[in-house]
Amino acid sequence: QVHLVESGGGVVHPGRSLRLSCAASGFPFSSYGMNWVRQAPGKGLEWLALISYDGKIRYYGDSAKGRFIISRDNANNTVSLQMNSLRNEDTAIYYCAKRRGTGMIDSWGQGVLVTVSP
Amino acid sequence: QSVLTQPPSVSAAPGQKVTISCSGSTSNIGDNFVFWYQQVPGTAPKLLIFDNNRRPSGIPDRFSGSKSGTSATLGITGLQAGDEADYYCGSWDSSLSAGVFGGGTKLTVL
Repeated sequence: QVHLVESGGGVVHPGRSLRLSCAASGFPFSSYGMNWVRQAPGKGLEWLALISYDGKIRYYGDSAKGRFIISRDNANNTVSLQMNSLRNEDTAIYYCAKRRGTGMIDSWGQGVLVTVSP
Repeated sequence: QSVLTQPPSVSAAPGQKVTISCSGSTSNIGDNFVFWYQQVPGTAPKLLIFDNNRRPSGIPDRFSGSKSGTSATLGITGLQAGDEADYYCGSWDSSLSAGVFGGGTKLTVL
């Protein structure tokens, strides 16, 4: 079955960078698009980014444009999110999630907490 | 302000039926599949419905999905205490080239 495990979260100062990673298993990773979604404390789900199965196409939500970069390594079944110029409002649980076809998400990781604090 | 619109909360007694609406536009729900997720506080979201009305294995048939035009509905029958959770709809938006979610609906089983 699909297994997604995020890592790389923690506490970071505003303006600094952080890189999240997600290790995938249980499915043909190189055949599927992958997403990052976040959830601020007490808030709803916010879609951040999608990378196509081959890494050639990337889409970003408004909060991620210009600061976050999604990438993937199909040889090692991992997807990453490089987050730069972090702000207090980036504090959230970040989820790695598998795309179903050309639609939305059918599998989620357990999430990793990122706290941006002075 | 979420692209997809859901009611903030719904409630019903055990054993009853509840529906949760999700309203969008042509570029998302109108032209793409709708997905529904259940999130128990403190846990990751879980897929309940995909491709408008299909259930993953392991999801009981008490949960159903439907779509009409630019709106979708999640139905839950035979409510149980364990159904108390936040429910989100989601879809791809072809104009934004982005995934979009509803703001979430908190289900309370009275």
